[in-house]
Amino acid sequence: EPEVTQTPSHQVTQMGQEVILRCVPISNHLYFYWYRQILGQKVEFLVSFYNNEISEKSEIFDDQFSVERPDGSNFTLKIRSTKLEDSAMYFCASSVASETQYFGPGTRLLVL
Amino acid sequence: AQSVTQPDIHITVSEGASLELRCNYSYGATPYLFWYVQSPGQGLQLLLKYFSGDTLVQGIKGFEAEFKRSQSSFNLRKPSVHWSDAAEYFCAVGSYSGGGADGLTFGKGTHLIIQP
Repeated sequence: EPEVTQTPSHQVTQMGQEVILRCVPISNHLYFYWYRQILGQKVEFLVSFYNNEISEKSEIFDDQFSVERPDGSNFTLKIRSTKLEDSAMYFCASSVASETQYFGPGTRLLVL
Repeated sequence: AQSVTQPDIHITVSEGASLELRCNYSYGATPYLFWYVQSPGQGLQLLLKYFSGDTLVQGIKGFEAEFKRSQSSFNLRKPSVHWSDAAEYFCAVGSYSGGGADGLTFGKGTHLIIQP
């Protein structure tokens, strides 16, 4: 069964550094999403992406964040200058049209 | 703005007993509703979903949920829990208006503990 995959599974970085989180959505899906989950808290929507542009973004998704689909398979989330409060689990999801979103296993980001 | 409330932070159930996890939502139109399960250190796995039609939906692992519009609820049930059901359960609501890729709004989750 096709799955959403994410790399790396864990990343440790220093405050102020740039990080890129990578996702490979399910191959026939057209909508892509990023969510984050701060430890012990609920899952929060960051951004959705369709037809090579951002479809919707939350107030969390400020200028420090960007998304890109650099090729036909990858979908990336970049944090330009990480802050301590960016430490969280980041989930990528994808869906066929406006239907069920399937989530990847997540990348745990720790900012020191 | 849409919101999801899961009033129970923790629930403890004996193995073999029945389970009901509560979820209430606030949304102006007909919502799309989901239950996801998250095992420790794992991602989110879809248990079941409601888009339209029959208000009682069946999911994986023997779970079911009932959409009650009058109560704005979408409670998750299982007649007999297994130790492997111990996990975090999230209710989520989506609003797929105009064909856009709208994000899901999640509840805070219910931590399910199974007693032997």
